[in-house]
Amino acid sequence: QKEVEQDPGPLSVPEGAIVSLNCTYSNSAFQYFMWYRQYSRKGPELLMYTYSSGNKEDGRFTAQVDKSSKYISLFIRDSQPSDSATYLCAMSEASSGDKLTFGTGTRLAVRP
Amino acid sequence: SAVISQKPSRDICQRGTSLTIQCQVDSQVTMMFWYRQQPGQSLTLIATANQGSEATYESGFVIDKFPISRPNLTFSTLTVSNMSPEDSSIYLCSVRSGNNQPQHFGDGTRLSIL
Repeated sequence: QKEVEQDPGPLSVPEGAIVSLNCTYSNSAFQYFMWYRQYSRKGPELLMYTYSSGNKEDGRFTAQVDKSSKYISLFIRDSQPSDSATYLCAMSEASSGDKLTFGTGTRLAVRP
Repeated sequence: SAVISQKPSRDICQRGTSLTIQCQVDSQVTMMFWYRQQPGQSLTLIATANQGSEATYESGFVIDKFPISRPNLTFSTLTVSNMSPEDSSIYLCSVRSGNNQPQHFGDGTRLSIL
């Protein structure tokens, strides 16, 4: 079993839809949680960075962490074609905050 | 966030040769890292590049295969040695500017081995 599980998709939605992306994990020591967006032929771009449980909102993006369920989510409101990319979840332990463990990524396509 | 430049952006190499990838940051950073991204797989940490000392390698990665240098706080290199087709991958540099700060990535080097 992988430490971090992420549905690879692809996920196709119409423009304006609300998108929900999710990851589950098995390591209860994970404390820091991140979402990265990766366009084709580009490196991962940090979208959201959260510590422990709770919600964080930034514009059209909301990140949720439920440590009791070992489950994290990224919601995208009013999705745009420019949101079409691969979304990677990543997490790290407090004691070794440098080592990121990634999911395999979910490919998202937003149709105009 | 810091601007991270990687060179080369892509290369096609012959089996048995070596390639050195450069990572340059436009500001001083505390930590630099090297990752590998293989098709259909998650990003995997190869090693942490320590300034002025030997890199710290993750399980499954060794210095003889992936020697790393970090001569200062803005620059690091990763060499992929004695390459085989299994080394075909994207190699990414990331940096962290301080404690409790997230990592930011360069655009990667796309490497194909014939």
